[in-house]
Amino acid sequence: DAGITQSPRHKVTETGTPVTLRCHQTENHRYMYWYRQDPGHGLRLIHYSYGVKDTDKGEVSDGYSVSRSKTEDFLLTLESATSSQTSVYFCAISESGTGRGYEQYFGPGTRLTVT
Amino acid sequence: LAKTTQPISMDSYEGQEVNITCSHNNIATNDYITWYQQFPSQGPRFIIQGYKTKVTNEVASLFIPADRKSSTLSLPRVSLSDTAVYYCLPYNQGGKLIFGQGTELSVKP
Repeated sequence: DAGITQSPRHKVTETGTPVTLRCHQTENHRYMYWYRQDPGHGLRLIHYSYGVKDTDKGEVSDGYSVSRSKTEDFLLTLESATSSQTSVYFCAISESGTGRGYEQYFGPGTRLTVT
Repeated sequence: LAKTTQPISMDSYEGQEVNITCSHNNIATNDYITWYQQFPSQGPRFIIQGYKTKVTNEVASLFIPADRKSSTLSLPRVSLSDTAVYYCLPYNQGGKLIFGQGTELSVKP
């Protein structure tokens, strides 16, 4: 399995508090992604990164920010958590963004509950 | 972006061959077709990818007709451990995989 870890694996927080989720990889892959998965919606891309300090928005980026200061770490921040952000969050990595090598490898997920 | 349509669910029995067809009528010329598998409480796992004709690996086969408007994932002799959700995704340049609802495959004894 690809070396991807996510922390924390489970978190319960209150509405209005900031939350940061961490994704760490040991594969030295250039691309990193954050998805959320909710019942009835499949996986939806929040943000992704194509290099250190290079990020772009996905389809559901409102309310989220990301940062990537090192190749191996990609942080997802909920500035002020809301109940609608209760979800399972997956991090993924890929070697490239196009052509061969673009297959994504997913982490174990973080279950976030906002009360 | 190419939109996909695949059955919401399928049932099968152990030892049978399962074929899951996905339609992607407006797939772009440069798009590859990828399939992912997801078990409960786990992240998706890449299974196979192809551009046209047939691709086979140790897990599955992927059939893509000449017009590339559909693709079929074939799982030979499924077992209970193949029970999962299977996603068909035409690859969008820039790393943006668009996951649909997927097909929930249930394999019974």
